[in-house]
Amino acid sequence: KNQVEQSPQSLIILEGKNCTLQCNYTVSPFSNLRWYKQDTGRGPVSLTIMTFSENTKSNGRYTATLDADTKQSSLHITASQLSDSASYICVVSAGVTGGGNKLTFGTGTQLKVEL
Amino acid sequence: KAGVTQTPRYLIKTRGQQVTLSCSPISGHRSVSWYQQTPGQGLQFLFEYFSETQRNKGNFPGRFSGRQFSNSRSEMNVSTLELGDSALYLCASSLVPGTEASGNTIYFGEGSWLTVV
Repeated sequence: KNQVEQSPQSLIILEGKNCTLQCNYTVSPFSNLRWYKQDTGRGPVSLTIMTFSENTKSNGRYTATLDADTKQSSLHITASQLSDSASYICVVSAGVTGGGNKLTFGTGTQLKVEL
Repeated sequence: KAGVTQTPRYLIKTRGQQVTLSCSPISGHRSVSWYQQTPGQGLQFLFEYFSETQRNKGNFPGRFSGRQFSNSRSEMNVSTLELGDSALYLCASSLVPGTEASGNTIYFGEGSWLTVV
């Protein structure tokens, strides 16, 4: 069964600090891994997408890493801001015979940035 | 350009009723997928449509169904509503399914909040 596990479940940090969120997956066959940011009551917004051959990708203050051998990914947020308070969801895509992707979602890490 | 549009944004239904949710993808996007999000379960995949054909389906009962029209707009229907169907239903669109190019981002709508009482 395809699974995506994220840790920690929730995190509180002070503005300006860095943090790292973790994602472990057991998805086969692996197609790509995505990180999304979801503000409360809003739809998720894509931060990064990484395929098997990519081990790091940045989007501003967000840097995602992927270790396909250990099936782990991390999302590092640098110099956090209050607006970073949101749920961060790791999504792993499995290739499907005949085309298409089947997405497996982690339950997210709830990040709160405080003054 | 306009994003993914979902209607209605909020609705309340009674147990046993049925509901239809609508999704208009980003112009030019031909792939539409649907997800259910609940606090305890997170986001769960319902189904994916491309060119009016269901490409993939998640592990949901037959009460959940969907379709896609020739203009790529999609609807999902839930019949015989249960209390546990209360959730945020998200629609997402992309150019085509299955590509690994980093440019094939999946864009989500703001969702339809369904409350079953």
